[in-house]
Amino acid sequence: AQSVSQHNHHVILSEAASLELGCNYSYGGTVNLFWYVQYPGQHLQLLLKYFSGDPLVKGIKGFEAEFIKSKFSFNLRKPSVQWSDTAEYFCAVNAPGYSTLTFGKGTMLLVSP
Amino acid sequence: GAVVSQHPSRVICKSGTSVKIECRSLDFQATTMFWYRQFPKQSLMLMATSNEGSKATYEQGVEKDKFLINHASLTLSTLTVTSAHPEDSSFYICSAPKAGSNNEQFFGPGTRLTVL
Repeated sequence: AQSVSQHNHHVILSEAASLELGCNYSYGGTVNLFWYVQYPGQHLQLLLKYFSGDPLVKGIKGFEAEFIKSKFSFNLRKPSVQWSDTAEYFCAVNAPGYSTLTFGKGTMLLVSP
Repeated sequence: GAVVSQHPSRVICKSGTSVKIECRSLDFQATTMFWYRQFPKQSLMLMATSNEGSKATYEQGVEKDKFLINHASLTLSTLTVTSAHPEDSSFYICSAPKAGSNNEQFFGPGTRLTVL
């Protein structure tokens, strides 16, 4: 069975600070990897995804993530956060060809102006 | 991107009543839809997989008689919380994978259920 671990439950940063949110997964085969964001009061939105190819994936709003297969990791990064990035971030995985997603517990990011 | 809607967005009901939540894929057909439950400050937990034309598949620990799922058409799945109790209060989210998009899932905005 798949599992996803997000290391930080809460992260507090000042504007312009750099961000890295950890995500590790447990699964023996090939995986698809996702980062979703949930802004306060809004629904889940896809930030970025990795299926294959270049392990450095760029998403919306200046976010990127790097798939490191040897570490079973897919950490999310942004060089300079903004107040509007305050949200909850979820890492998720599924197996290629299967829709069922396994989510991490989420990381609440609070960016202070 | 594809659009998934949910109705209602918010519902408050008395204990013992039943509540129906609709999930619609607005611009694509979905033979499968997923229902999640999200408790405050926790992750999304998959409750069940809704299959058009067949019975839903429930995750371990989810009572199928309490959470009735009907996938009435290729664009509509409903979740009925029967005889709701305060512990059923939660945020219910549906999603649908879109064919041809590597099964990327598109999420509905969620339904906040409060049982008094």
